[in-house]
Amino acid sequence: DQQVKQNSPSLSVQEGRISILNCDYTNSMFDYFLWYKKYPAEGPTFLISISSIKDKNEDGRFTVFLNKSAKHLSLHIVPSQPGDSAVYFCAASRKSGNEKLTFGTGTRLTIIP
Amino acid sequence: NAGVTQTPKFQVLKTGQSMTLQCAQDMNHNSMYWYRQDPGMGLRLIYYSASEGTTDKGEVPNGYNVSRLNKREFSLRLESAAPSQTSVYFCASKTGTTGELFFGEGSRLTVL
Repeated sequence: DQQVKQNSPSLSVQEGRISILNCDYTNSMFDYFLWYKKYPAEGPTFLISISSIKDKNEDGRFTVFLNKSAKHLSLHIVPSQPGDSAVYFCAASRKSGNEKLTFGTGTRLTIIP
Repeated sequence: NAGVTQTPKFQVLKTGQSMTLQCAQDMNHNSMYWYRQDPGMGLRLIYYSASEGTTDKGEVPNGYNVSRLNKREFSLRLESAAPSQTSVYFCASKTGTTGELFFGEGSRLTVL
């Protein structure tokens, strides 16, 4: 039972344009969401998070949007840069801090120069 | 600042052999985790330890055992390796105050 789903295994975007990565979840108890970025041969690194009390969180070029009614979140990267090429994982937990994270299957983003 | 350190980085085993993956963190985190990453499957939780002295099963615990040796160290043991355990293994840790996990660089295991 995949509780966190990333339905697009891959995405290609022109440099300078907007990248939009999507994530859906099924467990209505999830209330804290994170995005991780992973380069080959490295561990995932934290990118940005959002609590369910918010619908948007922004950090520089990265913005995460949360639609609780649709159980959907998205990561926007503007403008996209070649260094953004990586695999992006969406993750969710029931309570920030104390609960384990459930990860999606990942989306491989390729930025085309 | 080392963060989360995993050893070994690469290992090849024959079916039936045993081995232990070691993990240590120097961030004074309470919680530690072992995940495996497989193509098309994302990161799946094997075992975790919410605090020193406790361990719990994750999504895919079969074939594995863990030991939380102390606050810093959390090891993962394969008693009798199987080809289905060929994967990349990641150790991670976090504090109890935020949801952010800090990952090690991974250990690539191949079981022949």
